[in-house]
Amino acid sequence: KAGVTQTPRYLIKTRGQQVTLSCSPISGHRSVSWYQQTPGQGLQFLFEYFSETQRNKGNFPGRFSGRQFSNSRSEMNVSTLELGDSALYLCASSALGTGAEKLFFGSGTQLSVL
Amino acid sequence: QQQVKQSPQSLIVQKGGISIINCAYENTAFDYFPWYQQFPGKGPALLIAIRPDVSEKKEGRFTISFNKSAKQFSLHIMDSQPGDSATYFCAASKGNAGNMLTFGGGTRLMVKP
Repeated sequence: KAGVTQTPRYLIKTRGQQVTLSCSPISGHRSVSWYQQTPGQGLQFLFEYFSETQRNKGNFPGRFSGRQFSNSRSEMNVSTLELGDSALYLCASSALGTGAEKLFFGSGTQLSVL
Repeated sequence: QQQVKQSPQSLIVQKGGISIINCAYENTAFDYFPWYQQFPGKGPALLIAIRPDVSEKKEGRFTISFNKSAKQFSLHIMDSQPGDSATYFCAASKGNAGNMLTFGGGTRLMVKP
């Protein structure tokens, strides 16, 4: 079974631009979560989608958004990029999204904002 | 507000030794406490997890000890190996919050041969 696939692996953008990151969960998994990882703030929850609906949202500005498609694939978008958005963006999937279950993380998309 | 505090930030252990990483949480609504291991260039991978109704859980060389009254839990790695060198994260979540995990700051473990 293929793992969680995130594309692209690396991305370089400039301030003010927008970016879209993609995540393909493990086949059969219906819950997709997104996390931001930075050296300063660590791992922080962005949002979770289940059956195309956003179920939980972390404490991030509205510039961060996401969506989930009917095949469970997910995208996240960051508009009006700021230098502080430079981070590793991780996607994780789980089978049922009930919580307290195994989350499988992808290797992430490393975003650099110049 | 940091709801899960992890210590130490870094740890050096000799091969065969015991690695101990501690976490403390504030929110008593948390009811699921996993530990994740992350290697450079990879996403975190679940190592072991515990619910507050048990005080200890062991899987191979990895043990979680949980103290509900103190709101603390720890990871013990027995017979530490160089291959265990990685960053370890504790986390916590509430049962009604799906997969919204609150992570500790991480511990970079180095096991010297």
